[in-house]
Amino acid sequence: DAMVIQNPRYQVTQFGKPVTLSCSQTLNHNVMYWYQQKSSQAPKLLFHYYDKDFNNEADTPDNFQSRRPNTSFCFLDIRSPGLGDTAMYLCATSRDGWESLGETQYFGPGTRLLVL
Amino acid sequence: AQSVTQLGSHVSVSEGALVLLRCNYSSSVPPYLFWYVQYPNQGLQLLLKYTTGATLVKGINGFEAEFKKSETSFHLTKPSAHMSDAAEYFCAATIQGAQKLVFGQGTRLTINP
Repeated sequence: DAMVIQNPRYQVTQFGKPVTLSCSQTLNHNVMYWYQQKSSQAPKLLFHYYDKDFNNEADTPDNFQSRRPNTSFCFLDIRSPGLGDTAMYLCATSRDGWESLGETQYFGPGTRLLVL
Repeated sequence: AQSVTQLGSHVSVSEGALVLLRCNYSSSVPPYLFWYVQYPNQGLQLLLKYTTGATLVKGINGFEAEFKKSETSFHLTKPSAHMSDAAEYFCAATIQGAQKLVFGQGTRLTINP
C-alpha cells in the first residue's frame, strides 16, 4: 500500500563521494518535494518539482541537485557530501501546488544518510 | 515573515491524561494549518488539517485541534494519552504568498506508564 517509497532507507557514504537518493510515488501527484531533516529539527525544504518545473529554495546549497525523469520518480543527488549533510532526507508529494494551499503533503519514510 | 511557533520542545504526560500541544502562527492572513506526527525513523503522517469551515477539526488516532483566529492558535489535544502516542509532533502552515509549508520546531511527546 506504500504510496511514497524511498530507497535506500539507510545510506552510508564517505566524505566527498557522490550519492543518489531515490523517491517514487504511486499517487500520480503533480508535485514532489525534497526535505532535509537534521536531528531534533523540523524538515527544511530543499526544492520541489511542479510537474517538470524545478523550484529551488534560495538557501539550498549548489551541492544538492535533483532530477525528475517522469511523474513517478524523483532523485536527490548530493555531488560532494560533507559531514554536515548527515541527516534524514524526506520526499513528499502533493496533488497540486501552492495555488491550492490546503493540499496535504504525503511523506515517504525517509532515507537516513550518514556521511563519514 | 510568517512563522509557526510550538511552545514546549518536550511534553511529558501520563498514560490516560490529557494531551495538549501548543501551536501559534504569525500571519496577517489566516493560514491553512496542519498537524503532522513523526514516529522514530519514519516520515511525517498527517494527523489533521484546517482549511476553511468548522474551526474544530477532528483527526486520526483521537486527536483534534481548534483554530482560534483571535488567539492565532491551533492547539492539538487528545483527551486520553496512549503509549503509542509517543512521537514528535509538528505544526505547519501554508500562507498565501509564503509559497511553502512552514513548520514549527516540533514537540516531542513522551507518555509515562
